Amino acid sequence: EIVLTQSPGTLSLSPGERATLSCRASQSVSSSYLAWYQQKPGQAPRLLIYGASSRATGIPDRFSGSGSGTDFTLTISRLEPEDFAVYYCQQYVRSPYTFGQGTKLEIK
Amino acid sequence: QVQLIQSGAEVNKAGASVKVSCKASGYTFTSYYMNWVRQAPGQGLEWMGIINPSGGSTSHAQKFQGRVTMTRDTSTSTVYMELSSLRSEDTAVYYCARGGIVGETAPFDIWGQGTMVTVSS
Repeated sequence: EIVLTQSPGTLSLSPGERATLSCRASQSVSSSYLAWYQQKPGQAPRLLIYGASSRATGIPDRFSGSGSGTDFTLTISRLEPEDFAVYYCQQYVRSPYTFGQGTKLEIK
Repeated sequence: QVQLIQSGAEVNKAGASVKVSCKASGYTFTSYYMNWVRQAPGQGLEWMGIINPSGGSTSHAQKFQGRVTMTRDTSTSTVYMELSSLRSEDTAVYYCARGGIVGETAPFDIWGQGTMVTVSS
């Protein structure tokens, strides 16, 4: 199975700052079948990015994704208070459709 | 609007089985795969398996081999996930999540609200 490793585990930043989250795959994720999700406490995950760089419907343009092969990045250009949450990457190219362990973005 | 509504919280004894339902609305039920994902308290997301609501075929993660059964009822646009031989490690929130159009691979764009399953000893 494809193992996804996210870093850092926790990221402490202030509103207005830029956040950069990393996701590394143990094997190449072909055709960039890589997604990012945001999850807030007590809520279901929400799809942010698919195909490594395409924003899902209704997602603000301060969220952007990049990368290919085994290295992927989620960038939040200017953090808003509502962006502090846990973020997961996921590969959906091959079953089992694995998730990374998550990065917690917390307010500094 | 497109939504997935799951059944309510469950408390079950170790060794028993639990069956969680997920009712879809707002789209053609048989056109999209449905996935099941679980999340233990304070932990990450774990993909369990997928069902094709059109033909009923399923695939699941190896760790659930022999314990998970996914079914669907097209007359009510509902999918079900049954997990047997419950153990304490199965205590988690269970989510259904819509996948891609049948025949295509896609991320999970619509999620149910989650069902808390607690396994007691």
